[in-house]
Amino acid sequence: NAGVTQTPKFQVLKTGQSMTLQCAQDMNHNSMYWYRQDPGMGLRLIYYSASEGTTDKGEVPNGYNVSRLNKREFSLRLESAAPSQTSVYFCASSRDGLKGYEQYFGPGTRLTVT
Amino acid sequence: GNSVTQMEGPVTLSEEAFLTINCTYTATGYPSLFWYVQYPGEGLQLLLKATKADDKGSNKGFEATYRKETTSFHLEKGSVQVSDSAVYFCALSEGGTYKYIFGTGTRLKVLA
Repeated sequence: NAGVTQTPKFQVLKTGQSMTLQCAQDMNHNSMYWYRQDPGMGLRLIYYSASEGTTDKGEVPNGYNVSRLNKREFSLRLESAAPSQTSVYFCASSRDGLKGYEQYFGPGTRLTVT
Repeated sequence: GNSVTQMEGPVTLSEEAFLTINCTYTATGYPSLFWYVQYPGEGLQLLLKATKADDKGSNKGFEATYRKETTSFHLEKGSVQVSDSAVYFCALSEGGTYKYIFGTGTRLKVLA
């Protein structure tokens, strides 16, 4: 039982390049989330997926797109990376976000955009 | 809107000292409350939770009580260890939405 896994762990991009961050969970959770963590700002929600087949914007969606590929996988895409997107990205899942169940987090992806 | 406010860090304590990290919240409904811990280079791990007023969550010697009258969920531990050094996040989920609100985190450093 791996929980929530994320790939890659580290990535360096040049401005304008694109990439996809992968996330998978093996807990049969319905809800999945992408956050970014910046110093002094806590966690900010980028996008979430309430259940398979649905996605919604969070607090800071600009510059990102997501895909809920199936119940297990939720990917985050940066189409044209900018230095402001340098951050640590965390994927999380919850049995049912609507009912306030706790979230489980992946180990994170450290992204640097130069 | 909903919000979570944590005491600013860093908090520096000697081993075996008593720990309190304050957390207050604003919410329109009856949220579930959580404490998460983040060790260096890792993701957040659930430390404890409480889902209704007067519930006490506890884990690994940490405790927090859901106080609706003071809208607080303070984290306490009677005797901290060097291995407790980490960043602690208070969070809430109101239910009825899919969103969770996190505090900005409090860094704890425990000295031997």
